[in-house]
Amino acid sequence: EDKVVQSPLSLVVHEGDTVTLNCSYEVTNFRSLLWYKQEKKAPTFLFMLTSSGIEKKSGRLSSILDKKELFSILNITATQTGDSAIYLCALPPGSNYKLTFGKGTLLTVNP
Amino acid sequence: KAGVTQTPRYLIKTRGQQVTLSCSPISGHRSVSWYQQTPGQGLQFLFEYFSETQRNKGNFPGRFSGRQFSNSRSEMNVSTLELGDSALYLCASTTGSLGYTFGSGTRLTVV
Repeated sequence: EDKVVQSPLSLVVHEGDTVTLNCSYEVTNFRSLLWYKQEKKAPTFLFMLTSSGIEKKSGRLSSILDKKELFSILNITATQTGDSAIYLCALPPGSNYKLTFGKGTLLTVNP
Repeated sequence: KAGVTQTPRYLIKTRGQQVTLSCSPISGHRSVSWYQQTPGQGLQFLFEYFSETQRNKGNFPGRFSGRQFSNSRSEMNVSTLELGDSALYLCASTTGSLGYTFGSGTRLTVV
């Protein structure tokens, strides 16, 4: 069965810091890896990664995938208080029609 | 276009009662899936529906059930509520590609 492990589970930083969130996975048939941000209730999509070594960027957020070592990282530079959220890593559904999530990383950015 | 709408937003129930939660997907999305989110376990898959058919169910007791209507709206029901059922219940809809859109969830508190 697919599995996703995220670390750390929680992280407290100061505004302006750079953070790295980790996601390792086990999957029978890799299709892609997904990152979501959950600020209050609804997780919102950040990135979909399909190829090793290709960085996806959106402003101060970036993510990269290593298919050989089965992990992905999400980097946030120059953090702001608005980055405070739960960051979720997930494997998309296969024939079982379900997203498999890690437990998430709770990021708190203090002013 | 309208997003995924979940009602109610908040619920407080007593142990032993039952509860019904509703999810209206994005127009045109025929797949609806449900997830339970708790601080200790993260997002756990409950079930997925497509065209009124349940295609998969997660590892939850039979007290958890659901259905989907012909307009793709979905409901989930939890009978004989237990304290451990307190959680955020999220639903997500998709056209079947990797683009999942989540609702804001229903926060259920069992006392």
